Amino acid sequence: QKEVEQDPGPLSVPEGAIVSLNCTYSNSAFQYFMWYRQYSRKGPELLMYTYSSGNKEDGRFTAQVDKSSKYISLFIRDSQPSDSATYLCAALNRDDKIIFGKGTRLHILP
Amino acid sequence: DTGVSQDPRHKITKRGQNVTFRCDPISEHNRLYWYRQTLGQGPEFLTYFQNEAQLEKSRLLSDRFSAERPKGSFSTLEIQRTEQGDSAMYLCASSGSGLSYEQYFGPGTRLTVT
Repeated sequence: QKEVEQDPGPLSVPEGAIVSLNCTYSNSAFQYFMWYRQYSRKGPELLMYTYSSGNKEDGRFTAQVDKSSKYISLFIRDSQPSDSATYLCAALNRDDKIIFGKGTRLHILP
Repeated sequence: DTGVSQDPRHKITKRGQNVTFRCDPISEHNRLYWYRQTLGQGPEFLTYFQNEAQLEKSRLLSDRFSAERPKGSFSTLEIQRTEQGDSAMYLCASSGSGLSYEQYFGPGTRLTVT
């Protein structure tokens, strides 16, 4: 079992819809959780990070962590075609290494 | 541009050749990381530096791989005797000390071994 699991998609939604992206993790020691966006043939771009359980909002993006169920979510409101990308969830382990999921490919349909 | 930069962006080489990649981190960041990403996978950790000290290497980093950060600024990653299985995107990231959850990535170097 990989430490961070993520459905690879692809996920296709119409423009303007709310997008929900999800991951699960297995290591209860993880404390920091991150979401990265990666456009094709580019490096990952840090969207946001959260510490422990709770929500964090940044513009149209909301990250949510539920440590009791080991569940990580990213919500995108008012989705735009420019949001089409691969979204990587990740967690920081005790050795300060980031463990990434495989990424979910998202397509926003105009 | 004050982000992480990597050079070259693309490298095509023949099996058995040596290649070297360069990474320039964000100037005030003292931590520098190398990752490898293959198609359909997330980045996988290879190694990282705190200033010029290489603190950890992944088991993924075989003896053919070596990384340096001689003056605590830019870093190089060398692959000797390349194999087709080395074909991947090699990503560099940097962060401030104690801020490993806030890593900023460069554009990557795409390596193709023929």
